[in-house]
Amino acid sequence: EVQLVESGGGLVKPGGSLRLSCAASGFTFSSYIMNWVRQAPGKGLEWLSSISSSSSYIYYADSVKGRFTISRDNAGNSLYLQMNSLRAEDTAVYYCARDRSAYNYMDIWGKGTTVTVSS
Amino acid sequence: DIQMTQSPSSLSASVGDRVTITCRASQTISNSLNWYQQKPGKAPKVLIYAASTLQSGVPSRFSGSGSGTDFTLTISSLQPEDFATYYCQQTYSTPRTFGQGTKVEIK
Repeated sequence: EVQLVESGGGLVKPGGSLRLSCAASGFTFSSYIMNWVRQAPGKGLEWLSSISSSSSYIYYADSVKGRFTISRDNAGNSLYLQMNSLRAEDTAVYYCARDRSAYNYMDIWGKGTTVTVSS
Repeated sequence: DIQMTQSPSSLSASVGDRVTITCRASQTISNSLNWYQQKPGKAPKVLIYAASTLQSGVPSRFSGSGSGTDFTLTISSLQPEDFATYYCQQTYSTPRTFGQGTKVEIK
């Protein structure tokens, strides 16, 4: 079964750090662009970052640029999001999603992991 | 950045109704437009990609059209399982911005 499972969310104080993980299974992870998308409570979807299959190309939304770092381990079939200098407005459910690069749509999503930034 | 504006933000409709949601881009995006459906507490699910291509397994009552700056998602006959929030997303350039969403509620 094609699957993505996020982990690593939790409660963190403002200014703190957290590392999210996304474990992929059921497909050739190393062949796909991967994404992180988040959704703040009661709000819409926000694309955060993409990483190419070989990590050669990385893109970020302005809201997280310089604070968040996307990375991947193709041997371990895992995607990561290192989040530093966290703010209250980073509170959200964080999803990882597989990209169908021919048309750049996200066809497989994880169930999400919740990050709460609060003192 | 390309801004995506959906209308309406919400709508009430009955089972069997034809529903149309519009998405407008702040600049031309060719056909680089996807539509997602999200139900409460669940991850989004892709319905339409490249503006008008139906994702495998999605019912044919869903259709998409448009090119350039103006796009439409149509549900030809609304079913009980279609009550959800719908998002458009442009993938013409980064950041890959989403519209604000359209919540489809039961009338």
